[in-house]
Amino acid sequence: AQTVTQSQPEMSVQEAETVTLSCTYDTSESNYYLFWYKQPPSRQMILVIRQEAYKQQNATENRFSVNFQKAAKSFSLKISDSQLGDTAMYFCAFGHQGGSEKLVFGKGTKLTVNP
Amino acid sequence: GAVVSQHPSWVICKSGTSVKIECRSLDFQATTMFWYRQFPKQSLMLMATSNEGSKATYEQGVEKDKFLINHASLTLSTLTVTSAHPEDSSFYICSAKGGFTEAFFGQGTRLTVV
Repeated sequence: AQTVTQSQPEMSVQEAETVTLSCTYDTSESNYYLFWYKQPPSRQMILVIRQEAYKQQNATENRFSVNFQKAAKSFSLKISDSQLGDTAMYFCAFGHQGGSEKLVFGKGTKLTVNP
Repeated sequence: GAVVSQHPSWVICKSGTSVKIECRSLDFQATTMFWYRQFPKQSLMLMATSNEGSKATYEQGVEKDKFLINHASLTLSTLTVTSAHPEDSSFYICSAKGGFTEAFFGQGTRLTVV
């Protein structure tokens, strides 16, 4: 079974600075997807960024980028120019490739952006 | 992105009664819907996976007779918590997938059983 580990329960960063959230996972599969979801106080799950395992290039989405190290099974999220609205819980998730697969979530990292 | 609507957003029910939560995909056909449960300050735990027109697949440890899931159409799945008890109080979130790489989440339902 797949497992996802987020080793940082809480993190804080000053506004406009950069922060990196860590995520490691365990799988025997070679093709899969990895996701970072944001859950603000409203508790709506919002997709931040997605990475296909077969792609070597790291995904980027505006201020959000990932460092995907497939061999090390590491998938960290970097948030640049942090904004107050980035304050939220961030969940790393593993998804199987293709079809209608379920997601396996990490325990989450609570990020606080301070003014 | 696609829109998934979950209703109600919050509900309070008496112990022993049943409550139904709806999950609708508004602008796409969801071949699969997922139901998660989230305890305070914890991660999302998958309860079950439902495919349109077939029986739901429950995760280990989830009582299928207590958490009834129906996926009768490509746009609607329902979760019914039967004979609810205070320990069933939680935040329930659905997600829907249909032809996209990622699933889209509803806004969640906070259930309080008193």
